[in-house]
Amino acid sequence: QITLKESGPTLVKPTQTLTLTCTFSGFSLYTSGVGVGWIRQPPGKALEWLAFIYWDDDKRYSPSLKSRLTITKDTSKNQVVLRMANMDPVDTGTYYCAHGGHNYGFGALDSWGQGTLVAVSS
Amino acid sequence: DIQMTQSPSTLSASVGDRVTITCRASQSISSWLAWYQQKPGKAPQLLIYKASSLESGVPSRFSGSGSGTEFTLTISSLQPDDFATYYCQQYNNSFAWTFGQGTKVEIK
Repeated sequence: QITLKESGPTLVKPTQTLTLTCTFSGFSLYTSGVGVGWIRQPPGKALEWLAFIYWDDDKRYSPSLKSRLTITKDTSKNQVVLRMANMDPVDTGTYYCAHGGHNYGFGALDSWGQGTLVAVSS
Repeated sequence: DIQMTQSPSTLSASVGDRVTITCRASQSISSWLAWYQQKPGKAPQLLIYKASSLESGVPSRFSGSGSGTEFTLTISSLQPDDFATYYCQQYNNSFAWTFGQGTKVEIK
């Protein structure tokens, strides 16, 4: 059974860097054909895809946010970290991490964390 | 970026109705499309991947079709548990991945 859980601050100030950690179980990033992505959702709004990291450390980012995002993995700890620089109040929302596998084509995310709500305010 | 446009934005239907949601891509994405269901306060749940493949454990009343730029999600007989918001997502590796704006299915 695959589980994922997001952790990080609930409140950040404008211009600060947000660091979120996704801790997972039920799969390993040592295994080829798997990856972890991040998605966010402002209150009452649609989902927005942010970034994805593959088992081989290949990465992909949303073009509109690429300059602000960094996704990394610690395979030994079963963790993926997302950093988003220069936070703004419009970045307020729930941030999810999710698993993608090659049999789905990676981008179809079959298991999701519960999400973590991040507010950006001074 | 590829834009994903869902229609309608809101849909009012009754239990037992056949419901169809459309998702259009601004460019061809082959069959790299997923559908998710999201209930208030919960994470999305994968329903369909590769446009028409049913995720394990998802009821067979859900089905997906289409390829290229036009896709549909059909619920053959709407059940009380199906009132939720539905999102399409394209994941063609030639482009950045993107979600549609969502379709809320409400009780009529």
